[in-house]
Amino acid sequence: GQSLEQPSEVTAVEGAIVQINCTYQTSGFYGLSWYQQHDGGAPTFLSYNALDGLEETGRFSSFLSRSDSYGYLLLQELQMKDSASYFCAVRDPGGGNKLTFGTGTQLKVEL
Amino acid sequence: EPEVTQTPSHQVTQMGQEVILRCVPISNHLYFYWYRQILGQKVEFLVSFYNNEISEKSEIFDDQFSVERPDGSNFTLKIRSTKLEDSAMYFCASILRMGGAGANVLTFGAGSRLTVL
Repeated sequence: GQSLEQPSEVTAVEGAIVQINCTYQTSGFYGLSWYQQHDGGAPTFLSYNALDGLEETGRFSSFLSRSDSYGYLLLQELQMKDSASYFCAVRDPGGGNKLTFGTGTQLKVEL
Repeated sequence: EPEVTQTPSHQVTQMGQEVILRCVPISNHLYFYWYRQILGQKVEFLVSFYNNEISEKSEIFDDQFSVERPDGSNFTLKIRSTKLEDSAMYFCASILRMGGAGANVLTFGAGSRLTVL
């Protein structure tokens, strides 16, 4: 099966940089995704890494190291609206193409 | 932008009652999913559906659960006899294709909050 571990909570100040880590154990690997979920809202896709290295999308970047079974989401120039839960996810090699989500990290951005 | 639509947004029911949650996936998407999220916990896979049949289901998706795509647009989740522990947010999601990077981009609906009393 798949398991993904994340820190439960991270706090940072507005304008800062924060890194949210994800370590995973999978029976097959088809890339690591990141989703954002505001309180009461639906998860929304942020980024995806299939290969090692850094992918940048505006203020958000995501990194993957397949040899370490590790990835992180980097959020720069934090804004209050970035306060949300962030989930990493891996795609299951089974026929259903399901995504298995991590435990989630609640990010609190303070003034 | 195309979206996944779910109804109802909130349903309160008595234990033992049947509940049907409805979803309209994005029209050209081919793969459909139900996930659930108990308050404060992670998003858990329930079932995936392709070509009018279940392609995979989790241990949570027992005999009390069923899914249907009755008319080519709606995608429903039925819980036959609800239990207290079924209280959760239920998310429908869809995806265009299975291969490539796009296979990791699930589009979720806003969710249906189910409260079982």
